[in-house]
Amino acid sequence: QSVLTQPPSVSGAPGQRVTISCTGSSSNIGAGYNVHWYQQLPGMAPKLIIFHNNNRPSGVPDRFSGSKSGTSGSLAITGLQAEDEADYYCQSYDSSLSGFVVFGGGTKLTVL
Amino acid sequence: QVQLQQSGPGLVKPSQTLSLTCAISGDSVSSNTATWNWIRQSPSRGLEWLGRTYYRSKWYTDSAVSVKSRITINPEPSKNQFSLHLNSMTPEDTAVYYCARAAYSGYDTPFDYWGQGTVVTVSS
Repeated sequence: QSVLTQPPSVSGAPGQRVTISCTGSSSNIGAGYNVHWYQQLPGMAPKLIIFHNNNRPSGVPDRFSGSKSGTSGSLAITGLQAEDEADYYCQSYDSSLSGFVVFGGGTKLTVL
Repeated sequence: QVQLQQSGPGLVKPSQTLSLTCAISGDSVSSNTATWNWIRQSPSRGLEWLGRTYYRSKWYTDSAVSVKSRITINPEPSKNQFSLHLNSMTPEDTAVYYCARAAYSGYDTPFDYWGQGTVVTVSS
């Protein structure tokens, strides 16, 4: 059971928009800690695509965007492309745990 | 461009110690801003942060409570690398192990560079 809750799967047709939620609590996202997002292609290491809630690293398409409100973060992908099919993970910090860094359980994005 | 290259065995016997190394290029393990982390991923536990080492005038290490009694993370400045040692391995420690850099030391810092991953299986 992950501290941050993500839907197990989402799907969308090419060109559509999808969102992935990351729900936390008052001891992590709700306490003001940053949310980061990673994309993981099969057999590869996770790749940072959104940091500090809504910032994109250089080279990440502007089709990817992030937001944060209350105890949740959200990743939006517009203009879906086949290569977006991957697993997506959120990450934050939890002040109530001694593990410090916490991840969501991951969401599998399927491009129909 | 920062690159992290992992090395180490993929098969460990129960009760033995896992030892992995992460060689750094494009940055320094002695950086006064970055931290150097170990993270693992398994179907049962998902992504799990294990611990980190970093230098701020002296060396520091932090680790997750779940592995605190079993983990050692060592910086090796002369080789610009850092290592993970996890003892008393059990089948539950079977996972893909990653090293990763965080650009600064806040706990809600993102991991911007990752190693390629090492598949570790615990089996006799």
